[in-house]
Amino acid sequence: AQTVTQSQPEMSVQEAETVTLSCTYDTSENNYYLFWYKQPPSRQMILVIRQEAYKQQNATENRFSVNFQKAAKSFSLKISDSQLGDTAMYFCAFRGSNYKLTFGKGTLLTVNP
Amino acid sequence: NAGVTQTPKFQVLKTGQSMTLQCAQDMNHEYMSWYRQDPGMGLRLIHYSVGAGITDQGEVPNGYNVSRSTTEDFPLRLLSAAPSQTSVYFCASSKTPRAMNTEAFFGQGTRLTVV
Repeated sequence: AQTVTQSQPEMSVQEAETVTLSCTYDTSENNYYLFWYKQPPSRQMILVIRQEAYKQQNATENRFSVNFQKAAKSFSLKISDSQLGDTAMYFCAFRGSNYKLTFGKGTLLTVNP
Repeated sequence: NAGVTQTPKFQVLKTGQSMTLQCAQDMNHEYMSWYRQDPGMGLRLIHYSVGAGITDQGEVPNGYNVSRSTTEDFPLRLLSAAPSQTSVYFCASSKTPRAMNTEAFFGQGTRLTVV
């Protein structure tokens, strides 16, 4: 079974600075997808970014980018120019050949003014 | 653009009571699933369905039943509520169960407290 590990339960960053959230996973599969979801205080789950394992180029969505290291099974999320609205719980997730979405335990990010 | 709609948003139950959490989606998605979210545990899969008439167990299915009689609806039933089922429950849907890249769309969650 796949596992997803987020080793940072909480992080904080100053507004306008850059922060990186860590995620590692364990799988024996060669092709899969990785996702980062954001859960603000409203509780709504929002897809931030996704990465296909076969693609070497790191995905980018505006201020959000990933550092995908397939050999190391690492999938970190970098948030640039942090904004107060980025305050949220962030979940890393894995989907492989069984098509189920497996989540990590989450990292609570606080952006301070 | 309703997306995934969950009802109710909040619920308090007494131990031993039963109830159904409702989930409906209007995107004609094949795949639907239920998760529970507990502090420090992330989201854990309870049950899922790859299409009408087909359901299967996830990681933590005990104490819960599901059915999928239509594409749109995927209710979650608690047969005899226990305090350990106090949690936030999320319903999610995806267009197809056969594409790894498909985005999961989530409802707004139901906060359930069992006393």
